[in-house]
Amino acid sequence: AQSVTQLGSHVSVSEGALVLLRCNYSSSVPPYLFWYVQYPNQGLQLLLKYTTGATLVKGINGFEAEFKKSETSFHLTKPSAHMSDAAEYFCAVLNNAGNMLTFGGGTRLMVKP
Amino acid sequence: NAGVTQTPKFQVLKTGQSMTLQCAQDMNHNSMYWYRQDPGMGLRLIYYSASEGTTDKGEVPNGYNVSRLNKREFSLRLESAAPSQTSVYFCASSVGAVGGQETQYFGPGTRLLVL
Repeated sequence: AQSVTQLGSHVSVSEGALVLLRCNYSSSVPPYLFWYVQYPNQGLQLLLKYTTGATLVKGINGFEAEFKKSETSFHLTKPSAHMSDAAEYFCAVLNNAGNMLTFGGGTRLMVKP
Repeated sequence: NAGVTQTPKFQVLKTGQSMTLQCAQDMNHNSMYWYRQDPGMGLRLIYYSASEGTTDKGEVPNGYNVSRLNKREFSLRLESAAPSQTSVYFCASSVGAVGGQETQYFGPGTRLLVL
């Protein structure tokens, strides 16, 4: 079965600093990987996804993630944090049957002025 | 175009009461999903529907039933609510096949408290 581990339930950065949110997955087949963002009192929105092809994936709002098969990782980065990036971020992997997403526990990003 | 809508936004139930959570999408999507979100556990799939008239169990289906009333609507029913069902419930939809590369679009959620 697939699983997703997000290291750090809370991450705090200063405005303008690098954002790095960590995600490691387990999957017995080449994975489809996703990052979703949840702003307060809202549903989830897709930030980016990796299916096949280029391992560096660019998403919305300046975020990107790199699929590293050897490390079973899909970490999310943004060069310069903005106050509006404060939210909860979820990494997810698609199961082998292609009919279910498994989510990590989420990482709450706080951005300090 | 409202996307995915859910009603109610908030609900308080007593143990043993029943209720139905409503979800509708106006994007002509084929697949719909119900998740629950609990602190530190991310989202867990309760049920999904790949098309009108079909439903399948997800990771945590016990205590819930669903109905895919038509292409637009997918409801979640708690027949006898328990405190363990206190959670935030999200409905989602996607264009084509269940899962896969399709992006899932989420509703704003329903906060349920069972006393």
